[in-house]
Parts: sequence; C-alpha cells; structure tokens
Amino acid sequence: KNEVEQSPQNLTAQEGEFITINCSYSVGISALHWLQQHPGGGIVSLFMLSSGKKKHGRLIATINIQEKHSSLHITASHPRDSAVYICAVGESNYQLIWGAGTKLIIKP
Amino acid sequence: DAGITQSPRHKVTETGTPVTLRCHQTENHRYMYWYRQDPGHGLRLIHYSYGVKDTDKGEVSDGYSVSRSKTEDFLLTLESATSSQTSVYFCAISEQVGYEQYFGPGTRLTVT
Repeated sequence: KNEVEQSPQNLTAQEGEFITINCSYSVGISALHWLQQHPGGGIVSLFMLSSGKKKHGRLIATINIQEKHSSLHITASHPRDSAVYICAVGESNYQLIWGAGTKLIIKP
Repeated sequence: DAGITQSPRHKVTETGTPVTLRCHQTENHRYMYWYRQDPGHGLRLIHYSYGVKDTDKGEVSDGYSVSRSKTEDFLLTLESATSSQTSVYFCAISEQVGYEQYFGPGTRLTVT
C-alpha cells in the first residue's frame, strides 16, 4: 500500500464547478504539500500546511492531522486550472513522500 | 520564481553512452534533489545533496551518480545510459529537508 494515496486519479469537470481532490497518508508527518504541474511540465508549490486551512485565491487546502487526510478545493473552476495536482508529505529531517497525482481537466 | 535552471532541456542519446545533466540554482539553498517522473508513477527521488560534497541516495539511485562541488550546481550522471532511463528529470531545491521545494523546468531524456 502506498504511503500517500490521492483520489481521484483523474477528474473531468465543467467550468465553474467546485473541485475537491483528496490526499490520505499513513505516516506521521510534520507538513503536507500541494503542488501543481501544468501540461507544459513545470511544477509549482501551492501550499505547505501542518494544520487547519490555507487559502490562496480560488484554492483552499485543508488538513486533518487526526484523520491523516487533506483536501485541495478549487472554487469557480476555470480551464486554466487544468493540471496535475500532487500531494506530498514530509516529516522533519526526512525526505518528502510523493503521491501519484490527480489529473484535472476543466472543460469550458 | 526561484532561480533554478536545468541543462540540457532535451537530449536524445544512445544506449551505453554517458550523460550528464546539470542543475544550477541562484537561491543559495542547502538542499538539492534529482527526481525522475514517468507515466503511472509519482516523482521518484534519485539522489539528493545536503551540502557541498554531501550527497545521499534516494529510492531509485541504481545507474545514477551525482556530484556537488559548488553550492549552486548539482550534476546527475548516467554512466552508461539504458532505455529504462528514458524519463523526464527534475531538479529541485529547498532550504531544509521537508520544507517547500522549488522545481526546475525539467529535462526530457530519451535513450534509444
């Protein structure tokens, strides 16, 4: 069993829909990361969080440490949000453990 | 954007030839990483460095070596490339292990 599981693997939605991507992990962590990889290949860090919730524009990331679960939400989705969203978890002084990614397509 | 460049960006090489990929940073971050990304797999760590001349293996290090003679440069070498090493290679940097990582643009390597 992978230590970091993302769901769904693929998600197609219509423009304007509210999007949720989930990440579950089985190890103790000090922080969880969400990253975005655009079709062109570039990888960008979106959030690093260890508790609660963070918001940046239309993106919201939440984490529940007790349940070992995090969600990434996108409000008012737009075709430019189409990308692969990657979850990674880390413990202090250890390397990040990466999820396989969720491929999101937003249709106009 | 963090100042990270990779060279070359694309390379096609033949089986058995040596290949070196370069990662250069201008952020003075202590940690540097090499990952490979393949369809159906997440990012997989090849090697990482925690300082000049200080490197360690990741989960898929067989067939790869690295060197870091300066803070800003981290080299990945395939001593004798194989077709299984066809992949997209990403370099990343971070201030501390477990902290936010900043990625380079990637190098697409094809071994024929």
